[in-house]
Amino acid sequence: KNQVEQSPQSLIILEGKNCTLQCNYTVSPFSNLRWYKQDTGRGPVSLTIMTFSENTKSNGRYTATLDADTKQSSLHITASQLSDSASYICVVSAVNNNAGNMLTFGGGTRLMVKP
Amino acid sequence: NAGVTQTPKFQVLKTGQSMTLQCAQDMNHNSMYWYRQDPGMGLRLIYYSASEGTTDKGEVPNGYNVSRLNKREFSLRLESAAPSQTSVYFCASRFDRDSGNTIYFGEGSWLTVV
Repeated sequence: KNQVEQSPQSLIILEGKNCTLQCNYTVSPFSNLRWYKQDTGRGPVSLTIMTFSENTKSNGRYTATLDADTKQSSLHITASQLSDSASYICVVSAVNNNAGNMLTFGGGTRLMVKP
Repeated sequence: NAGVTQTPKFQVLKTGQSMTLQCAQDMNHNSMYWYRQDPGMGLRLIYYSASEGTTDKGEVPNGYNVSRLNKREFSLRLESAAPSQTSVYFCASRFDRDSGNTIYFGEGSWLTVV
């Protein structure tokens, strides 16, 4: 069964500090991995996408890494801001097949940035 | 830029009542989805529509029905609501089911069944 596990479940950091969120997956055959940000009371919004051949991708203060061999990804947030307080969801796509959509969602990491 | 719009935002139902969640997207997307999100769990797929005129069951379809009314609209119906259906529901869409396409989510519908 395809699974996506995220850690930690929750995290509290001080404004200006860095943090790293982890995602481990057992999705096969792997197509891509996305990180989504979900603000409280809102829908998830895509931050970045990683394909099999990519091992690092940045989007502003967010940097995602992917190790396809160990099936791990991380999301590093630099110089955190209060607006970074949200849940971060790792979503792994399997290669398309006739069964249709093949997205597996992690349970998310809830980040709180305190002043 | 409306994107994916879903209504209602909040709803309280009594056990056994029925209701329909409405979803519309204005991005000319072919594929649309309904998910539910429960505390501590990842989003789970209820139903999806790969293209206009087709619908398929996802991971947790029991107790739900869907209608792809046209390319823009995809509704989710609870025929006889149960407390286990208390959840946050998200409608989503993407251009087509190619895994490289970004999936866009609505703002969510909070449903409580008492």
